[in-house]
Amino acid sequence: EVQLVESGGGLVQPGGSLRLSCAASGFTFSSSWMHWVRQVPGEGLVWVSNVNYEGSTTFYADSVKGRFTISRDNAKSTLYLQMNSLRAEDTAVYYCVRGGSWDWGQGTLVTVSA
Amino acid sequence: QSVLTQPPSASGTPGQRVTISCSGSSSNIGNNPVNWYQQVPGTAPKLLLHSNDQRPSGVPDRFSGSKSGTSASLAISGLQSEDEADYYCAAWDGSLKGYVFGTGTKVTVL
Repeated sequence: EVQLVESGGGLVQPGGSLRLSCAASGFTFSSSWMHWVRQVPGEGLVWVSNVNYEGSTTFYADSVKGRFTISRDNAKSTLYLQMNSLRAEDTAVYYCVRGGSWDWGQGTLVTVSA
Repeated sequence: QSVLTQPPSASGTPGQRVTISCSGSSSNIGNNPVNWYQQVPGTAPKLLLHSNDQRPSGVPDRFSGSKSGTSASLAISGLQSEDEADYYCAAWDGSLKGYVFGTGTKVTVL
């Protein structure tokens, strides 16, 4: 069974940093592109970033480019999202998603507020 | 901001057929496959259809999809109470170099 378990969310002040993690199991992690998708509670889905199998190719939404960095550790089957210079508008539930089959984690809430 | 446009809501009585449209452009739907996701409130989204019209294992055959040009659509036939959820289309956008989601459609079973 595919499992994606996000962690690292919480309350952070504007301008602060946070690193999200996603522990993957039940599939060959190193053979899957991986994505981060976010959702403001009560609003729609917004794609944030993705990374290829080896971690050598990444793409970002314009809204996070230059502030967020996606990475992966295939030996640990773990996906990361380093979020810097956080803004109030980054407040959302962040989902880890497996590319291809589009399996989703349960999400972790990030709140940016003073 | 979403680049794929969906109607905000759709509704029907049990057993009816409901259709949801998704309008995009040549940089996304026009040249890339469309996926559809279902999200029951309070839960994570779930893949409903991939590659325009393909159902993953476990998805009932009352869900079907189609694509023509820069638009796609999702049809739910034989609407059931458990189909009440939010539905999103999505596709890769070659110009934006990113994955784009639709604005979402809330389906209500009357």
